[in-house]
Amino acid sequence: GNSVTQMEGPVTLSEEAFLTINCTYTATGYPSLFWYVQYPGEGLQLLLKATKADDKGSNKGFEATYRKETTSFHLEKGSVQVSDSAVYFCALSESYGGSQGNLIFGKGTKLSVKP
Amino acid sequence: EAGVAQSPRYKIIEKRQSVAFWCNPISGHATLYWYQQILGQGPKLLIQFQNNGVVDDSQLPKDRFSAERLKGVDSTLKIQPAKLEDSAVYLCASSFRRTLSTDTQYFGPGTRLTVL
Repeated sequence: GNSVTQMEGPVTLSEEAFLTINCTYTATGYPSLFWYVQYPGEGLQLLLKATKADDKGSNKGFEATYRKETTSFHLEKGSVQVSDSAVYFCALSESYGGSQGNLIFGKGTKLSVKP
Repeated sequence: EAGVAQSPRYKIIEKRQSVAFWCNPISGHATLYWYQQILGQGPKLLIQFQNNGVVDDSQLPKDRFSAERLKGVDSTLKIQPAKLEDSAVYLCASSFRRTLSTDTQYFGPGTRLTVL
C-alpha cells in the first residue's frame, strides 16, 4: 500500500541554519504531496503542497519539490528562526479509487531552533 | 472564516466506558474526515464522509467505533467500549471537495482522549 517515510527527529538547529527534512513516498497513481506543520499547542496546518511532478511548493520561506524519479518531497529552508520550532509532517493524498483524497502521513519530525 | 471546531478538547475516561467527540467543519465543505493520532505517530484516517454519506470507513474498528454525519454538516465519532489503546488525539478535518486529491484539508484542534 501507499506509505510515507520521513527522517526521524528530533532535529535541533541554531537560528539561521539551513534546514532539510527528508521525505520519501511509495504510491500508485499520481498522489499529491503535502507538508503540514503542528506548532506547540496548536492544530495541524498546511505549510505547502505540490500536485504533480516537478512542482515546487513554497510558503514562509520553506520549499519542497515533487520529485517523481526519486519519489521524494524534501522540505528545505535557508535560514530557520526560533518561531519555526514545531513538528513537521509529510503526507500524500491518495489519487484514485475509494480512498481518493485520504491523507497518509509520515511519523513527523520535531524541529527545535535555538537562539 | 471560522475554522474546524471540535469538542471537547480533552477527555479522560476509564476503559470500557463510552465517549463521543463532536466536529463542526468549515461552512460549505462537503468532505469531512476523522483521524486518530497516537503519540509519536502521524495521523491515521478512520473515516471519510462526503456530505452525509460514508465514502471510506475501511480503517474504522467497527466493533467499537461508530461515526455519523447527519444533514451533511456536523459529525460525531463514538467509541464504545473504550480500550487503553484508544488513547490518542482525535482530529477532524474538512475539505471543500472530495473529487480531487489536490484539495487541502483543514484540521481542527483535536480532542485528546486518555483511557485509564
